[in-house]
Amino acid sequence: DVKVTQSSRYLVKRTGEKVFLECVQDMDHENMFWYRQDPGLGLRLIYFSYDVKMKEKGDIPEGYSVSREKKERFSLILESASTNQTSMYLCASSFVTGQETQYFGPGTRLLVL
Amino acid sequence: GNSVTQMEGPVTLSEEAFLTINCTYTATGYPSLFWYVQYPGEGLQLLLKATKADDKGSNKGFEATYRKETTSFHLEKGSVQVSDSAVYFCALGLTSGSRLTFGEGTQLTVNP
Repeated sequence: DVKVTQSSRYLVKRTGEKVFLECVQDMDHENMFWYRQDPGLGLRLIYFSYDVKMKEKGDIPEGYSVSREKKERFSLILESASTNQTSMYLCASSFVTGQETQYFGPGTRLLVL
Repeated sequence: GNSVTQMEGPVTLSEEAFLTINCTYTATGYPSLFWYVQYPGEGLQLLLKATKADDKGSNKGFEATYRKETTSFHLEKGSVQVSDSAVYFCALGLTSGSRLTFGEGTQLTVNP
């Protein structure tokens, strides 16, 4: 059974903290994605990676960075958390092309105080 | 550019009612089309997909047909259950890229 796991289901952080969200997939997928989901705004792509050490900006990369040192792991980093980054963060993975199914993790609900 | 438009929600139905959630798309090239479902407190999961025109995807009583002439992929179910209450997302993907383009999602609530 395919699996995408995220390091935390819930996180509470303070403004200015550095925050790491981690995602691991066990399907040997080339692509990995980070989205944020907010009421009324749907899913918005933050960053994605198509190979180890490779990354591309999505639609809302400001205030975020990513790291992919191993194929199975993709980290999202909030360099200095702000209250407007309070959101649900979803990780996904897929094989190479956009015609492939993306498999999602359960999400991390982040609250920045 | 590529885009997906879903009917506005929320949608509220009684159990055993017929469901239609409209989805239309704009794409350069020949996309694959997807419906994802998100149950409360969970991530998204694939409900069904279709990869070429006139294909019908189906799963768990849900169906959607890829209509190239109307650029649509409407989701239907003949008789909804309370357990179908969730958010439904339409999406498209192209071979020329890695990412999916999602619609904004439609919240479905089914009352007993």
